[in-house]
Amino acid sequence: DGGITQSPKYLFRKEGQNVTLSCEQNLNHDAMYWYRQDPGQGLRLIYYSQIVNDFQKGDIAEGYSVSREKKESFPLTVTSAQKNPTAFYLCASSEGGGYFEDTQYFGPGTRLTVL
Amino acid sequence: GENVEQHPSTLSVQEGDSAVIKCTYSDSASNYFPWYKQELGKRPQLIIDIRSNVGEKKDQRIAVTLNKTAKHFSLHITETQPEDSAVYFCAASSNTGNQFYFGTGTSLTVIP
Repeated sequence: DGGITQSPKYLFRKEGQNVTLSCEQNLNHDAMYWYRQDPGQGLRLIYYSQIVNDFQKGDIAEGYSVSREKKESFPLTVTSAQKNPTAFYLCASSEGGGYFEDTQYFGPGTRLTVL
Repeated sequence: GENVEQHPSTLSVQEGDSAVIKCTYSDSASNYFPWYKQELGKRPQLIIDIRSNVGEKKDQRIAVTLNKTAKHFSLHITETQPEDSAVYFCAASSNTGNQFYFGTGTSLTVIP
């Protein structure tokens, strides 16, 4: 899992601003994922991508957008439409093939705070 | 969709004792069940996983059991040590769905 990096580690956003969280992996994994973690809750899936130029919504995609232009990169944009964006955001990757049966490896996370 | 419930939410044990965390799932098609350990402020890390064609798997002090009929799986940690203190998450996937569902986590404290 050392091959997945996220930046920045901490991010502060003013209301009404869009912000983009970076996720990069050098594991040659096909699949990448974005999760949101709130206190007392499990990880919830925002978006996932099984292959370059393709991505799917998870349970809580509203107010978020992603792109997958390169295999190693899967940035997440938190838009102003996301009403409660303060959370810990985790990116993950797996070897892929499009199945949720592969081990997922997580990045170190980005803690987003809305001021 | 899948619903994963995890119990207990908090667990304290004395060093050297065993700890057991249980999860139940709703989708009978689920066939992959990983367990993650997350230390404070850090990334979740896979500690053990099990697939539906296996009833039990062990790795040193950690073991996972799966009961497909009852749709529950459990994490067992023996001879606990202070460094086992963390939040543990279970998860379940489905071979027909497009989701990977996590439990709400168990905060384990090992008291020296």
